[in-house]
Amino acid sequence: DAKTTQPNSMESNEEEPVHLPCNHSTISGTDYIHWYRQLPSQGPEYVIHGLTSNVNNRMASLAIAEDRKSSTLILHRATLRDAAVYYCILRDYSGAGSYQLTFGKGTKLSVIP
Amino acid sequence: GAGVSQSPRYKVAKRGQDVALRCDPISGHVSLFWYQQALGQGPEFLTYFQNEAQLDKSGLPSDRFFAERPEGSVSTLKIQRTQQEDSAVYLCASSLWSLQETQYFGPGTRLLVL
Repeated sequence: DAKTTQPNSMESNEEEPVHLPCNHSTISGTDYIHWYRQLPSQGPEYVIHGLTSNVNNRMASLAIAEDRKSSTLILHRATLRDAAVYYCILRDYSGAGSYQLTFGKGTKLSVIP
Repeated sequence: GAGVSQSPRYKVAKRGQDVALRCDPISGHVSLFWYQQALGQGPEFLTYFQNEAQLDKSGLPSDRFFAERPEGSVSTLKIQRTQQEDSAVYLCASSLWSLQETQYFGPGTRLLVL
């Protein structure tokens, strides 16, 4: 599976928007971009995923660059509960890739009250 | 509905002891995964089941690690003769099918080997 690069850590003020970047320059045409997050002492949880178009759900928005070599997870209004490690993961849906999730180190987001 | 549950949540073992970690996936989920998460790292894949069949065990670090899912629901990860390097959080995840489906994780079992 293609690799992703994320900053080790980021800080945000509470109630401010947060933009979490992810680079994936070797992404293939059949790779979907997934985001999971892991709150302290919990298992990871799914946040959002997309292929080419920007996506929105109740948790976040995903903005995907036109060349698909980078993407940004957007939390519109950070709360203290959003403090977590955020993982950007590529998943190959062609059937040739693996089915497990390949996590990197992710970005640790701290939210300042 | 009920999510993925794991037990015990915490386990302390003396080096050389055998341990068994249990995972109850979401009812009806075909796929089940085990991951190992060392401190400060992201989870790493251990093994994968589709129903009762273990289709991939390439991530198991040694032959001391063994996983089973005999009836296609509950799974057990067993570690024999535990070593200090086995100390980690062991995460279980399930999904409705496999490739396209979201994985739902349990809270994990934190294993400390002394």
